[in-house]
Amino acid sequence: LAKTTQPISMDSYEGQEVNITCSHNNIATNDYITWYQQFPSQGPRFIIQGYKTKVTNEVASLFIPADRKSSTLSLPRVSLSDTAVYYCLVGDRGSTLGRLYFGRGTQLTVWP
Amino acid sequence: DADVTQTPRNRITKTGKRIMLECSQTKGHDRMYWYRQDPGLGLRLIYYSFDVKDINKGEISDGYSVSRQAQAKFSLSLESAIPNQTALYFCATSDSRTRTGSIYEQYFGPGTRLTVT
Repeated sequence: LAKTTQPISMDSYEGQEVNITCSHNNIATNDYITWYQQFPSQGPRFIIQGYKTKVTNEVASLFIPADRKSSTLSLPRVSLSDTAVYYCLVGDRGSTLGRLYFGRGTQLTVWP
Repeated sequence: DADVTQTPRNRITKTGKRIMLECSQTKGHDRMYWYRQDPGLGLRLIYYSFDVKDINKGEISDGYSVSRQAQAKFSLSLESAIPNQTALYFCATSDSRTRTGSIYEQYFGPGTRLTVT
């Protein structure tokens, strides 16, 4: 499992774009990058997954540079309800080992 | 995810008691997982099951056991609860038959808050 490093916390204001960067210098060729969101006392929610360049869905965008040693989760125009912990996970999505390493994640706080 | 349910949602029990946490899913997924989360920490995997006849230990299986009664049901038992098992417990599912079949796309239940006194 590639080790990931992400900021412990970030603050933003409503309506701003938020970019959370995750470093994964030891990412392997078969590894994908996955982001989850977790609200207090709720289970994590799958947000987005990507391998290279850019992936976009209705919730967020994921930017992955060519060397894949980092990735950036972009949340457009955040609202108070985006206050949550965001986890970056890296691993072989074809793995049958079962385990995901969530780490401590990034606590995003959105202020009015 | 409303398709993954956990019972009970909250439970207070005493040291030494046996307790079972239940998870049911209507997503039709074949893979199921049990995690625990402690304050300020990420999730840690307790057990996982890739099908009804498959049970695997995770990172912290000591003191826990599981039963996969059917594809849709996965139970976690604490044979003799102890205070350091006080935590938030999550069940999750994933589907090996999707295009990616990825274990990295998991769907979590609402959690069970367990307190052992």
